[in-house]
Amino acid sequence: AQSVAQPEDQVNVAEGNPLTVKCTYSVSGNPYLFWYVQYPNRGLQFLLKYITGDNLVKGSYGFEAEFNKSQTSFHLKKPSALVSDSALYFCAVRDTYNTNAGKSTFGDGTTLTVKP
Amino acid sequence: NAGVTQTPKFQVLKTGQSMTLQCAQDMNHEYMSWYRQDPGMGLRLIHYSVGAGITDQGEVPNGYNVSRSTTEDFPLRLLSAAPSQTSVYFCASRRSGTSNTGELFFGEGSRLTVL
Repeated sequence: AQSVAQPEDQVNVAEGNPLTVKCTYSVSGNPYLFWYVQYPNRGLQFLLKYITGDNLVKGSYGFEAEFNKSQTSFHLKKPSALVSDSALYFCAVRDTYNTNAGKSTFGDGTTLTVKP
Repeated sequence: NAGVTQTPKFQVLKTGQSMTLQCAQDMNHEYMSWYRQDPGMGLRLIHYSVGAGITDQGEVPNGYNVSRSTTEDFPLRLLSAAPSQTSVYFCASRRSGTSNTGELFFGEGSRLTVL
């Protein structure tokens, strides 16, 4: 079984400071890892993904994430937070065993609040 | 581009009533899925489909039925609504195939309240 843990329900940062939203995962094989963002009363939007290759992946809106296989982590980062980054962030994992029925498992989400 | 379209956006039901949440995508995605979102519980997979005529259960399938007669549409049916089914429902799709690396595209959600 695959699972995702987002250990922080809430992350608060000041505008201009760096931010990190944590994610750890568990899968049987190699993982595909994703970050999504949800703004109030909206659907989830894709931010970035790790499939293979470089452990540091860059995505939309200046976000990046680092894949660490030994720590089974995929933390989301941004060098300088904006107030408009305030939203709910979800980490998701998909295993690579069954290529056509790969189900995505989501974490419980982390609410990011960036204060001016 | 319409993407993934869900209807209705809001619905109030009485216990025991039935209804169908509609989902349509115009991206020719083979994979479609339904999730429910509850506070503090993230998104939980209800049912999914890897192509027309093929459906399977997810993590929380009880009380829900699905069918996939076309690539574009993936309706979710509640046969006898219960208060425990009060939630926000999201339809999501992605390209399938051998790579299986595609990200999910989500609809805007359907907020269901069962009284």
